[in-house]
Amino acid sequence: DAGITQSPRHKVTETGTPVTLRCHQTENHRYMYWYRQDPGHGLRLIHYSYGVKDTDKGEVSDGYSVSRSKTEDFLLTLESATSSQTSVYFCAISEFTSRGEQYFGPGTRLTVT
Amino acid sequence: ILNVEQSPQSLHVQEGDSTNFTCSFPSSNFYALHWYRWETAKSPEALFVMTLNGDEKKKGRISATLNTKEGYSYLYIKGSQPEDSATYLCAFMKTSYDKVIFGPGTSLSVIP
Repeated sequence: DAGITQSPRHKVTETGTPVTLRCHQTENHRYMYWYRQDPGHGLRLIHYSYGVKDTDKGEVSDGYSVSRSKTEDFLLTLESATSSQTSVYFCAISEFTSRGEQYFGPGTRLTVT
Repeated sequence: ILNVEQSPQSLHVQEGDSTNFTCSFPSSNFYALHWYRWETAKSPEALFVMTLNGDEKKKGRISATLNTKEGYSYLYIKGSQPEDSATYLCAFMKTSYDKVIFGPGTSLSVIP
């Protein structure tokens, strides 16, 4: 299994609070991604990174920001959580160009009350 | 917005049956198509990465074909087993600068 961990694995938070999710990899892969999984929508890309300090938006980036200060860590921040951001969040990595297969972390279940 | 579709949405087959499902994507530009297998309570796992028209990939009882000119890929499972029960996702990239767009998935249940 690719060395990807996500923390926390579960979180319950209140509307309006900031939340940061962490993705950590030990594979030294260049590309890292954040997805959310919702019923009826499959996986939707939030943000991705193609190198340290190089990030770009995905299809559902509103309300989220990311940072990548080290190759191994990709942080997803919800500046002010809303109930619509209740979801399961997956981090993924890939090695070479984005033609490469993606390896997924175990997921973080976030509930915003 | 790029539309990646999968059909059927769900499928129930008997153990030993062979099955197939479809991923449809825009045929105007093509860079890559991925297939993933996603078991309940686990993370998606890559099955195939397909990049050329006419590509055929095989892993055990699972195989996939790609037609970029008409915009579809088929995933076949021969002799389905209960452990094949999962959601199968395809993911499409239009160009090297585009993001991967996942389809909604096909949920397969194999009945013993």
